[in-house]
Amino acid sequence: AQSVSQHNHHVILSEAASLELGCNYSYGGTVNLFWYVQYPGQHLQLLLKYFSGDPLVKGIKGFEAEFIKSKFSFNLRKPSVQWSDTAEYFCAVTGHAAKIIFGKGTRLHILP
Amino acid sequence: DGGITQSPKYLFRKEGQNVTLSCEQNLNHDAMYWYRQDPGQGLRLIYYSQIVNDFQKGDIAEGYSVSREKKESFPLTVTSAQKNPTAFYLCASSIGQGANTGELFFGEGSRLTVL
Repeated sequence: AQSVSQHNHHVILSEAASLELGCNYSYGGTVNLFWYVQYPGQHLQLLLKYFSGDPLVKGIKGFEAEFIKSKFSFNLRKPSVQWSDTAEYFCAVTGHAAKIIFGKGTRLHILP
Repeated sequence: DGGITQSPKYLFRKEGQNVTLSCEQNLNHDAMYWYRQDPGQGLRLIYYSQIVNDFQKGDIAEGYSVSREKKESFPLTVTSAQKNPTAFYLCASSIGQGANTGELFFGEGSRLTVL
């Protein structure tokens, strides 16, 4: 069965700090991987996605993620965070058919 | 504007009552999804549908039912059998096939409170 694990439930950083949020998945076949973000009071929206090709993918607002197949990981990174990055971040995976599974989310709080 | 419309935004019901949440999309997407979002639990998949007149159970389907009679509509019924129905419910859609599978577009959500 598919599953997604996000290691950090709540992260607090100061502005300009570097960010890395962990995501590991469990699925034996070919996967598509995603990071979604939910800003306070807003819809969930797509941050970035990996389907195939270059394992380092770049998304909106300076975020990037690296797919490491051998580690079943898809960690999200940003070199220098801003106060406006305060949000909840969700990793998601789809493998079998159209079933899309999410992790439990990481609440990121950036101190100004 | 293309998008996903969920209604109602807020809903209160008494224990023992069924309630139906509406989800409509005009994106011409094949696949539609219902998730439940609880604090600290992330999004948990209730049901999904890849095509009209077909749907599959997700990880927490017990106490819920759905229908997919039209491509643009995927209503969710929360039945009295659902033990903890108070939650935030999110509907989403996706192109649903090929390499774009998984890129979801979400509605604003419906918050259900059982009194």
